[in-house]
Amino acid sequence: QVQLQESGPGVVKPSETLSLTCIVSGGSIGNNYWTWIRQPAGKGLEWIGRIHRFGSTNFSPSLKTRVSMSVDTSKNHISLKLTSVTAADTGLYYCAREEILVGGYIRDEALDTWGQGTMVTVSS
Amino acid sequence: DIQMTQSPSSLSASVGDRVTITCRASQSISTYLNWYQRKPGKAPELLIYAASSLQSGVPSRFSGSGSGTDFILTISSLQPDDFATYYCQQSHTLPYTFGQGTNLEIK
Repeated sequence: QVQLQESGPGVVKPSETLSLTCIVSGGSIGNNYWTWIRQPAGKGLEWIGRIHRFGSTNFSPSLKTRVSMSVDTSKNHISLKLTSVTAADTGLYYCAREEILVGGYIRDEALDTWGQGTMVTVSS
Repeated sequence: DIQMTQSPSSLSASVGDRVTITCRASQSISTYLNWYQRKPGKAPELLIYAASSLQSGVPSRFSGSGSGTDFILTISSLQPDDFATYYCQQSHTLPYTFGQGTNLEIK
């Protein structure tokens, strides 16, 4: 069974770059999209973006100028970088696997496996 | 972006109660709607996909319905393990946005 574990620095200074890693264990990167989601302090879940093993990406319009993602299939991990961070970027960051699930008459893309999340605080 | 609005934002209920949570999309999303459960310190869990399909391993007391813009998550008989925060998410149009969450508390 695939498991995901996020890791990161914990604290990042304003204007610097946040770098997070998500390690995939119990399986391979496969032919899936891998998604980053965050929960800013006191708010709900926010979809950041996703990446496929072949490099295709989609990002939230509100973050696309600051976000990049990468996949390392040899190390079985996915990375997120967010530049020019501010206090508004403080929150809990999750990675998740997107799976195509057939329901009714549609092929849905749902997040069927998540990590436990890693907390990021932007503070000087 | 498609806006997802959940109601209520918080809910108090007792073990054994039947609970419904509503999610409304700002435009039609067919049945591209997923429900997740989140508990502090744990990985969120997919409950329902494609609006009404039960994810493998999820108890049958959870069910989903709806299409177009209006969706419902129902828990038929609340169990102690169900007190958590629930989120809907649309997977019709990128970015795949979430509702703001419904916090289900013990009465």
